[in-house]
Amino acid sequence: EAQVTQNPRYLITVTGKKLTVTCSQNMNHEYMSWYRQDPGLGLRQIYYSMNVEVTDKGDVPEGYKVSRKEKRNFPLILESPSPNQTSLYFCASRSGEDYGYTFGSGTRLTVV
Amino acid sequence: RKEVEQDPGPFNVPEGATVAFNCTYSNSASQSFFWYRQDCRKEPKLLMSVYSSGNEDGRFTAQLNRASQYISLLIRDSKLSDSATYLCVVNPREGTGGFKTIFGAGTRLFVKA
Repeated sequence: EAQVTQNPRYLITVTGKKLTVTCSQNMNHEYMSWYRQDPGLGLRQIYYSMNVEVTDKGDVPEGYKVSRKEKRNFPLILESPSPNQTSLYFCASRSGEDYGYTFGSGTRLTVV
Repeated sequence: RKEVEQDPGPFNVPEGATVAFNCTYSNSASQSFFWYRQDCRKEPKLLMSVYSSGNEDGRFTAQLNRASQYISLLIRDSKLSDSATYLCVVNPREGTGGFKTIFGAGTRLFVKA
């Protein structure tokens, strides 16, 4: 089944403790992206990647890092999480710039 | 001004009604457009792309008006299962070669029996 898989689905962590949210897609898509969704603010793009080793900042990149060492994986790294990073995170992939994204099921992160 | 704007609603309509949503975008160089639906606490799912000539998929019709910089979604014969949040999406096509994707905040639709 074609899909985007994120892990974990739920995570509660403490301020300052580094964490990684994994994202993997099995559709051979070149484009991948991370979004966060907050009430009243909608989906905001954190980082996106056009191909292996090619990444760029979205609208809200502060406090996040990404890497794209392989086509299928696009992990999101929070080096020092803070409570304002509590949010619902989505990873997504697509085959080209004129195609829609397929989303993962989301990761609900709480930083206390 | 937000890059992509939608009326948040909610739109409350009876089953069988026709309902339309509009979405305006600010970047005239935007190249591709989409509508997604999102159910509560779930991931967004692609509903349809929006083409310059307009396109239809069953009960759903999408239109693009480049001159006025808006896209629309028309739902005919609404079903209870159409209750969701509808997200308008625009690819502004940055000049650097990057391809951001910008989501509107969504329009909530409730279809009642």
